[in-house]
Amino acid sequence: DTAVSQTPKYLVTQMGNDKSIKCEQNLGHDTMYWYKQDSKKFLKIMFSYNNKELIINETVPNRFSPKSPDKAHLNLHINSLELGDSAVYFCASSQAEISGAFFGQGTRLTVV
Amino acid sequence: DAKTTQPTSMDCAEGRAANLPCNHSTISGNEYVYWYRQIHSQGPQYIIHGLKNNETNEMASLIITEDRKSSTLILPHATLRDTAVYYCIVRAYSGAGSYQLTFGKGTKLSVIP
Repeated sequence: DTAVSQTPKYLVTQMGNDKSIKCEQNLGHDTMYWYKQDSKKFLKIMFSYNNKELIINETVPNRFSPKSPDKAHLNLHINSLELGDSAVYFCASSQAEISGAFFGQGTRLTVV
Repeated sequence: DAKTTQPTSMDCAEGRAANLPCNHSTISGNEYVYWYRQIHSQGPQYIIHGLKNNETNEMASLIITEDRKSSTLILPHATLRDTAVYYCIVRAYSGAGSYQLTFGKGTKLSVIP
């Protein structure tokens, strides 16, 4: 029973397209996150939502728009995809701020 | 959040204890030490965290020096499945209800048969 699940696992698309990545957690956590891991393997936070409210919004192009319909879901929509958006995107969730975060298996996005 | 320094890579014989060091000499009093690992092609996995005292769970032990300037993650009996990149992260409690993890380059642990 997967705690944090993302779909799709792989996504290949052309430049200029709009795509969405979905994330769901069944842990009952209040906070969800999106991280990006680039080709050099650095993991960086993009967004954080707590109880459906945006808490952290790092310097991310406004082509990226997170949407949280409820506490269990945090979807990532990307408009006008660019080659530089190619990366692995990880969704995560946590309960209390002190506790560890649980990550999904990632979505490998390839823009061609 | 304080910066951490870890060795780039380490080897460990299967069945032996793996001791992964982390230096965080600028850590402040309200900052916790977290350890995560990332096995190839998977998402990061939370291992353990601590503030002052040593901690142990089913995965590992965390030893924090008395001055809190360094810590060691111990995997008591390393297996081939423990081959991964291990990240030591220091972060403070902000009270905002969420937090960001700043991942460095980590230590690539290779468990050798």
